[in-house]
Amino acid sequence: ETGVTQTPRHLVMGMTNKKSLKCEQHLGHNAMYWYKQSAKKPLELMFVYSLEERVENNSVPSRFSPECPNSSHLFLHLHTLQPEDSALYLCASSQEVTGANVLTFGAGSRLTVL
Amino acid sequence: GDSVTQMEGPVTLSEEAFLTINCTYTATGYPSLFWYVQYPGEGLQLLLKATKADDKGSNKGFEATYRKETTSFHLEKGSVQVSDSAVYFCALIDNAGNMLTFGGGTRLMVKP
Repeated sequence: ETGVTQTPRHLVMGMTNKKSLKCEQHLGHNAMYWYKQSAKKPLELMFVYSLEERVENNSVPSRFSPECPNSSHLFLHLHTLQPEDSALYLCASSQEVTGANVLTFGAGSRLTVL
Repeated sequence: GDSVTQMEGPVTLSEEAFLTINCTYTATGYPSLFWYVQYPGEGLQLLLKATKADDKGSNKGFEATYRKETTSFHLEKGSVQVSDSAVYFCALIDNAGNMLTFGGGTRLMVKP
């Protein structure tokens, strides 16, 4: 167990569906992150939350909508996705956003958009 | 802005061979440097880190030395095993309040 749990591990959805990815950490961390990992592309930072406030949004399309209801939970709401959104979505947490903080990653949610 | 450059993979080695994965960086100020590893079907996990110049991070037989003069943090292991097959990511975080920056990752394949 890495301390960061992501569900579901695998998700297949059509372009008109609405689904959500869930991330949970009980490490007492204050920062949580969503990354996108596509084949043959660098890791892409999507969203960062610090103490439940969004602190980074790297020009992510509005069809991805994050939600951080408390410091232990992070969601990524998905709607009207495109096939190129198929990827591994990784959640991570760290004690703080800045400084030499180590990120703890979940195992990822493998998303396939048909 | 900050950037991390890693050697392109895949790197294919036989068991017990010597491993080097090159990593160079550009960053604001004095960054902390990291190697993360991603085993098949898993998320990334920290392998080792170094927070100041000349520090050596080490773990599981892997080592990397923070070289400020060459802005490098090369990963080495004296004798790789099949179980080391994974994707290795070099990363940095500067002390100017920016987020962690990852390199593109290097896939290592170790054959028996």
